[in-house]
Amino acid sequence: GQSLEQPSEVTAVEGAIVQINCTYQTSGFYGLSWYQQHDGGAPTFLSYNALDGLEETGRFSSFLSRSDSYGYLLLQELQMKDSASYFCALSGYSTLTFGKGTMLLVSP
Amino acid sequence: DAGVIQSPRHEVTEMGQEVTLRCKPISGHDYLFWYRQTMMRGLELLIYFNNNVPIDDSGMPEDRFSAKMPNASFSTLKIQPSEPRDSAVYFCASRRGQGGTATNEKLFFGSGTQLSVL
Repeated sequence: GQSLEQPSEVTAVEGAIVQINCTYQTSGFYGLSWYQQHDGGAPTFLSYNALDGLEETGRFSSFLSRSDSYGYLLLQELQMKDSASYFCALSGYSTLTFGKGTMLLVSP
Repeated sequence: DAGVIQSPRHEVTEMGQEVTLRCKPISGHDYLFWYRQTMMRGLELLIYFNNNVPIDDSGMPEDRFSAKMPNASFSTLKIQPSEPRDSAVYFCASRRGQGGTATNEKLFFGSGTQLSVL
């Protein structure tokens, strides 16, 4: 099977940089995705790493290292609206397996 | 596009009652997924369809759960009889293509149905 581990909670202040780590175990996968979910809302796609390395999308960047079974999401210039849960997910054959999520709390 | 549409938004029912959750995927998307979200277990895949055909229902917890997709624009998830442990948020999601590449990996989620079984 597949499993993913993320910290349950991360706190940071507005304007700061925060990194949310994700380690995984799998026998095979296509890539690692990240989703954001605000309280009471639906998960929304942020980024996808099919290859090792860094992918940048505005203030958000995502990194994957297959050799280390590790990835992270980097959020820069944090804003209050970034307070949400962030999920890493393994892309398998047609399906996604999600981690339990990391709640990010951004304070003024 | 209106996005993935789910109904009802909230459902409160009593143990033993039948519950039907509905989903309209984004037009042109050929994959449809049903997920359940709880604090304890996170986001769990229940079942997914490709071109209206159920492909993998190994995540369906037990025979009380069933899902159908009679056409490309409609799917239902039914629980009969419902139990308090079924209380959760149920999400429907859709995607064009199998995924695995940067161009077709993105999964689009509906707003979810908050189910409470008393």
